[in-house]
Amino acid sequence: TQLLEQSPQFLSIQEGENLTVYCNSSSVFSSLQWYRQEPGEGPVLLVTVVTGGEVKKLKRLTFQFGDARKDSSLHITAAQPGDTGLYLCAGEYPNQGGKLIFGQGTELSVKP
Amino acid sequence: GAGVSQSPRYKVAKRGQDVALRCDPISGHVSLFWYQQALGQGPEFLTYFQNEAQLDKSGLPSDRFFAERPEGSVSTLKIQRTQQEDSAVYLCASSLSSEQPQHFGDGTRLSIL
Repeated sequence: TQLLEQSPQFLSIQEGENLTVYCNSSSVFSSLQWYRQEPGEGPVLLVTVVTGGEVKKLKRLTFQFGDARKDSSLHITAAQPGDTGLYLCAGEYPNQGGKLIFGQGTELSVKP
Repeated sequence: GAGVSQSPRYKVAKRGQDVALRCDPISGHVSLFWYQQALGQGPEFLTYFQNEAQLDKSGLPSDRFFAERPEGSVSTLKIQRTQQEDSAVYLCASSLSSEQPQHFGDGTRLSIL
């Protein structure tokens, strides 16, 4: 069974704090994607990481792919209330036709 | 519109009824995926089409679930004899090819009473 463990499930922080979300699997990914989902909407792609050890930045968001391509992290610096939402990691395994395996999601609440 | 369109946005049905959920992918997108998202959880893969061919249906929970994409564009997910555990948001996603990023619709929220 292909599983993607995402933690923490819930995170409530004050504006200006930093946070990290983790995504782990026992299997090797061909790529890993991070999405953000607002209530009543579909997930929106933030970033795709493909190479082991890869680091990508999107404004205050930093995404890292583990060297072995089994884990990933999302770090947000100086969180803003507008960052509130559900963050999802999704892994794509080799030869699976693009099928995504999603983590359970991290519900982030940033209070002003 | 330019995005993936799903209809209806909300569907309420009584247990035992059949339902049909529609997905209009982005024009020209070859790959189409269906996912099921339970409340507070991440989406779970149901099935995948490349044009009109259903290449993977390993995620369909039971034989009550059936998906089709007869002309390689619009897709329909049908659930027969609905059960309460079928209540969820059903998401459709499309991509230019299986290697390209998936674009998601806003889903159909299905409630079974």
